[in-house]
Amino acid sequence: DAGVIQSPRHEVTEMGQEVTLRCKPISGHDYLFWYRQTMMRGLELLIYFNNNVPIDDSGMPEDRFSAKMPNASFSTLKIQPSEPRDSAVYFCASSLDRGVGYTFGSGTRLTVV
Amino acid sequence: GESVGLHLPTLSVQEGDNSIINCAYSNSASDYFIWYKQESGKGPQFIIDIRSNMDKRQGQRVTVLLNKTVKHLSLQIAATQPGDSAVYFCAEIHGNQFYFGTGTSLTVIP
Repeated sequence: DAGVIQSPRHEVTEMGQEVTLRCKPISGHDYLFWYRQTMMRGLELLIYFNNNVPIDDSGMPEDRFSAKMPNASFSTLKIQPSEPRDSAVYFCASSLDRGVGYTFGSGTRLTVV
Repeated sequence: GESVGLHLPTLSVQEGDNSIINCAYSNSASDYFIWYKQESGKGPQFIIDIRSNMDKRQGQRVTVLLNKTVKHLSLQIAATQPGDSAVYFCAEIHGNQFYFGTGTSLTVIP
């Protein structure tokens, strides 16, 4: 199993640009999670999906952030427009029900200049 | 100005010694717990898990202990190696609600 696959690994963009982060969960996992990790706040849950449906997006910082899961094998996290304070490492994770097999991807390091 | 970040608990151990990393959890109804290891520049990696109907679980060089009375979880690493240097997180799960601790930074001194 290739695990949770995220792309790109690194992204550098200018303030105001749109950024799209991608995630492929482990096949068969029906839960998908997006996290943001910073030195200031640690690991923060942004949103999670169950069977492609967003269940809890209370962690999404503001309207500039949006996430979609068009099918069971793909999810995107979009920031538009991006700001320097969005600079962080963004992780995607997937699991079976009740956390079984909970696995993180390698993350996308986003730098907004 | 000076940046302020999370102040992770830190633990330094001599190579070959045993390490014990502690975690207090908050929800007495949490029924599943996971320890993760995060090395610099990588995502958190699963180490070992334990369900609330158990007090102890052992893996390769690692043992997790669960004390439900005081809502405490610990990770013991035997014969700590330089490759064990990382940040260790505990996670508590209740249904499909996940809560991660801030982590403990382990440094192994050769």
